[in-house]
Amino acid sequence: NAGVMQNPRHLVRRRGQEARLRCSPMKGHSHVYWYRQLPEEGLKFMVYLQKENIIDESGMPKERFSAEFPKEGPSILRIQQVVRGDSAAYFCASSQVGGSPSGRGPYNEQFFGPGTRLTVL
Amino acid sequence: GQNIDQPTEMTATEGAIVQINCTYQTSGFNGLFWYQQHAGEAPTFLSYNVLDGLEEKGRFSSFLSRSKGYSYLLLKELQMKDSASYLCAVSVSNDYKLSFGAGTTVTVRA
Repeated sequence: NAGVMQNPRHLVRRRGQEARLRCSPMKGHSHVYWYRQLPEEGLKFMVYLQKENIIDESGMPKERFSAEFPKEGPSILRIQQVVRGDSAAYFCASSQVGGSPSGRGPYNEQFFGPGTRLTVL
Repeated sequence: GQNIDQPTEMTATEGAIVQINCTYQTSGFNGLFWYQQHAGEAPTFLSYNVLDGLEEKGRFSSFLSRSKGYSYLLLKELQMKDSASYLCAVSVSNDYKLSFGAGTTVTVRA
């Protein structure tokens, strides 16, 4: 049973180019979360999606960043006109159910992919 | 948002015990997670606490005190492979995103 898949694992872009990061959730999972991890910092929530719906994009910059999770295919995080400050590790996580965990387990455990390390030159 | 604090680094010797503390300030607390992350890899789930007390799972245990906004992860019989970053993350009611601390890098020495 494959885990969360992300590709590419490493991506190098020059300033002004576009970056496309892909995430395939675990089988049976329909909830996807994107997090960004800057060097020496914790993971920061960016966006939460279900199939064909953006549920919460409060952590995603309003400009240049967009995300989708189509009916078929992987979730895509798209960064247009990249700048050096976009260099980071981008992690995708998926879960079987959404919402918040209630009471004592089972809970909304999020399973993380290996991440895409974006370097902007 | 949530303020989540944990030490930046800790060092211990093989076979020893290390305790990683995490303090948080949040409203609508609905659970605390610990994840392990090896360099260049995905975070992997270690434990989840929503009620006060100690949860033990093999060499790893996690404790929670909701009144104090405090948790710790206890690693026993340390092995070299335990060298990693340990992330504390909080979930709040009616929310699904996890708020992470900056992580504690644990180095195990022979």
